[in-house]
Amino acid sequence: ETGVTQTPRHLVMGMTNKKSLKCEQHLGHNAMYWYKQSAKKPLELMFVYSLEERVENNSVPSRFSPECPNSSHLFLHLHTLQPEDSALYLCASSQAEGTEAFFGQGTRLTVV
Amino acid sequence: RKEVEQDPGPFNVPEGATVAFNCTYSNSASQSFFWYRQDCRKEPKLLMSVYSSGNEDGRFTAQLNRASQYISLLIRDSKLSDSATYLCVVNPADRGSTLGRLYFGRGTQLTVWP
Repeated sequence: ETGVTQTPRHLVMGMTNKKSLKCEQHLGHNAMYWYKQSAKKPLELMFVYSLEERVENNSVPSRFSPECPNSSHLFLHLHTLQPEDSALYLCASSQAEGTEAFFGQGTRLTVV
Repeated sequence: RKEVEQDPGPFNVPEGATVAFNCTYSNSASQSFFWYRQDCRKEPKLLMSVYSSGNEDGRFTAQLNRASQYISLLIRDSKLSDSATYLCVVNPADRGSTLGRLYFGRGTQLTVWP
């Protein structure tokens, strides 16, 4: 499936590194999301963008910085992460906020 | 109280069995409901939307009970390939606007054995 693509699929980074996750959707959707999924926990919504405007920042630490340059692309910039930030980071898009979302394959992040 | 509550399971059933999952939601004004499926180490994928009148897709039947605020998913004639985690997803009416967001349950794990 190529509806929502994320890169990289796997990332190992040190606590002092800076890296970025990329998401691209080819579905013509207007809303894009970043979710975090840790082991044994439900998906946690991090950020919501609707028509390129950030409409929700769900109390996420500032070491995570989203960017949405256009309705098809979404980035998550990472810096000075902690080991507890290791998780699967999922990007999703939907036609509008709150409608069914389609997910990318995720980036499995390990912070060492 | 959590927005969406699910029994985490695990449910272990033999092939051919019928299995049902329930999910409860806290916001009575919730507008739309979905079931997603997530395989191990993969992304969630939309299984089906849940409509007020109930809906069926092959071996899968979803029902909504607004009065009791629960959603169910019934899987008939289970296959080995049905083994996955099933996520209940709810869009409550946004308290501040007409727009919504999706709340995910913790997921119910299903294993179908031969």
